[in-house]
Amino acid sequence: GQQLNQSPQSMFIQEGEDVSMNCTSSSIFNTWLWYKQDPGEGPVLLIALYKAGELTSNGRLTAQFGITRKDSFLNISASIPSDVGIYFCAGQGQGAQKLVFGQGTRLTINP
Amino acid sequence: GAVVSQHPSRVICKSGTSVKIECRSLDFQATTMFWYRQFPKQSLMLMATSNEGSKATYEQGVEKDKFLINHASLTLSTLTVTSAHPEDSSFYICSAGKRRVKGNTIYFGEGSWLTVV
Repeated sequence: GQQLNQSPQSMFIQEGEDVSMNCTSSSIFNTWLWYKQDPGEGPVLLIALYKAGELTSNGRLTAQFGITRKDSFLNISASIPSDVGIYFCAGQGQGAQKLVFGQGTRLTINP
Repeated sequence: GAVVSQHPSRVICKSGTSVKIECRSLDFQATTMFWYRQFPKQSLMLMATSNEGSKATYEQGVEKDKFLINHASLTLSTLTVTSAHPEDSSFYICSAGKRRVKGNTIYFGEGSWLTVV
């Protein structure tokens, strides 16, 4: 099925560094969602974006809904060991609850 | 705290038996829930959309007689894997949408590990 283009697929960084990942789509979405998934657990919602151009922060996390409604990015500042995991972006069309997912970004942090 | 809850978190069953996984929305009503399957190191694969009071909508390639979905109430959907085989072993995750002022936000359950032996 349809999938978002999420990049990078993996990141290896040092603790304390900032992280940036993004998702792009050929289709317009009305909602962008960012999730983090730890091994063996379900995805946990990090940030939800509902409006084009919206910039939202959640602690050290910041995400933006692209003006074109076809892209979104997630930034993590001053990474810490517990940030390790897989980050997924997801898009939702108007009136639809079904999500379209990115392939995920696997974040590894070297202490 | 959790918004969507799944049970059991882990289950082992014998080949040929059936196993049921429950998905509950804890503090809201969900007319629609979603069931996913996830293989190691891959993204979530949507299996079906569970509709309260009506038949589930299955994605292409998902056998509806194999994966029975029941959404009998506004807070509970169940996925039953019938005549399970080892290849059905996987991580199954449900989700539900909670209406908020700004829009509809999708929350996921904790996931259920199924091992068929």
